[in-house]
Amino acid sequence: DVKVTQSSRYLVKRTGEKVFLECVQDMDHENMFWYRQDPGLGLRLIYFSYDVKMKEKGDIPEGYSVSREKKERFSLILESASTNQTSMYLCASSFLRGRSGDTQYFGPGTRLTVL
Amino acid sequence: SQELEQSPQSLIVQEGKNLTINCTSSKTLYGLYWYKQKYGEGLIFLMMLQKGGEEKSHEKITAKLDEKKQQSSLHITASQPSHAGIYLCGASSGGSNYKLTFGKGTLLTVNP
Repeated sequence: DVKVTQSSRYLVKRTGEKVFLECVQDMDHENMFWYRQDPGLGLRLIYFSYDVKMKEKGDIPEGYSVSREKKERFSLILESASTNQTSMYLCASSFLRGRSGDTQYFGPGTRLTVL
Repeated sequence: SQELEQSPQSLIVQEGKNLTINCTSSKTLYGLYWYKQKYGEGLIFLMMLQKGGEEKSHEKITAKLDEKKQQSSLHITASQPSHAGIYLCGASSGGSNYKLTFGKGTLLTVNP
């Protein structure tokens, strides 16, 4: 079974703090993704990575950065957290297109609250 | 860019009833993915459809991709409380960037 894990299920931070969200997958997937999910707005892609040290901006990259030093690990960084970054953050991973197409497998999510 | 519209936005059914959720794309679908999400949790992959006219089933859930590949439907037969949750469709554009575009989801409530 594919397993994608996220470092925390719930996180509470103060405005201005630097926040690290970590994601690890155990299926040797090339692609990894970070989304945020908000009521009424659905899932929005923040960043994705198709290889170690490679990254591309998604639809809403402002205020975020990412790091992928190892194939299995993809980190999302909030350089200076703000209240409008309070959200559910979801990590996903996928193979380069193959038999499973572009199927993405998701982690359990991190509910981040910025006070 | 590709947009996915799901209908209905929410649905309340009595246990044992059948139901259908639709996902309509603004562009041709190269791959259509159905996910289920329990409140406050991650998305669980259900099924992938790629070919026009394709139909797949898993337990009491059946998904179809229409011939023109611009709409998919998810049908649940004899619904149970365990089917409750948010159903999301996702679509790939067929390009090389492996990204999926997601619909906003359909909230399903099944009353015992």
